[in-house]
Amino acid sequence: ETGVTQTPRHLVMGMTNKKSLKCEQHLGHNAMYWYKQSAKKPLELMFVYNFKEQTENNSVPSRFSPECPNSSHLFLHLHTLQPEDSALYLCASSQQETQYFGPGTRLLVL
Amino acid sequence: GENVEQHPSTLSVQEGDSAVIKCTYSDSASNYFPWYKQELGKRPQLIIDIRSNVGEKKDQRIAVTLNKTAKHFSLHITETQPEDSAVYFCAASTAGNTPLVFGKGTRLSVIA
Repeated sequence: ETGVTQTPRHLVMGMTNKKSLKCEQHLGHNAMYWYKQSAKKPLELMFVYNFKEQTENNSVPSRFSPECPNSSHLFLHLHTLQPEDSALYLCASSQQETQYFGPGTRLLVL
Repeated sequence: GENVEQHPSTLSVQEGDSAVIKCTYSDSASNYFPWYKQELGKRPQLIIDIRSNVGEKKDQRIAVTLNKTAKHFSLHITETQPEDSAVYFCAASTAGNTPLVFGKGTRLSVIA
């Protein structure tokens, strides 16, 4: 349960705010992922990092900016978000095929 | 790219009955098929997975079957209990760190 952690767990922000989500994995994995989960699209892949290099950007708007300083940490920088960006943001990590998820950050954009 | 379809989107069963969730995939190169369970307000958690060199795998009350020819795989839960109520996601990928492609989920309700 504590292999992948995310902070904060809940976040409320205005459309003009800038905030960052943090993910940390303690499993020694070399790949990390950001997903958006909403009622409309249950598990929507946003970004993939392998060995700190971004290998996939799934047509995500530029108001979401990922950062992966090392294989254990992943950030998602948020700015000028829209109310429709309100969702659960899940981080995951993997060594091979199996992904392990963090608890998510519940984001509300007002 | 890979496309995973999952059915049904919702499923209600009586406690003690069996539940079956089915998924199809499009990429014949996919060879890894995990199933995740997500309880309300919690993270998705891996409950069972299968690789393409195996046709069936069991773990207590849950089992997964894979038909490579037809490109579909299924999750079977026997003797369902109220704590099995959750959203279940299937997924598919090729080897290594190729991202998983998820189905849209099945909301299972087990009625006591």
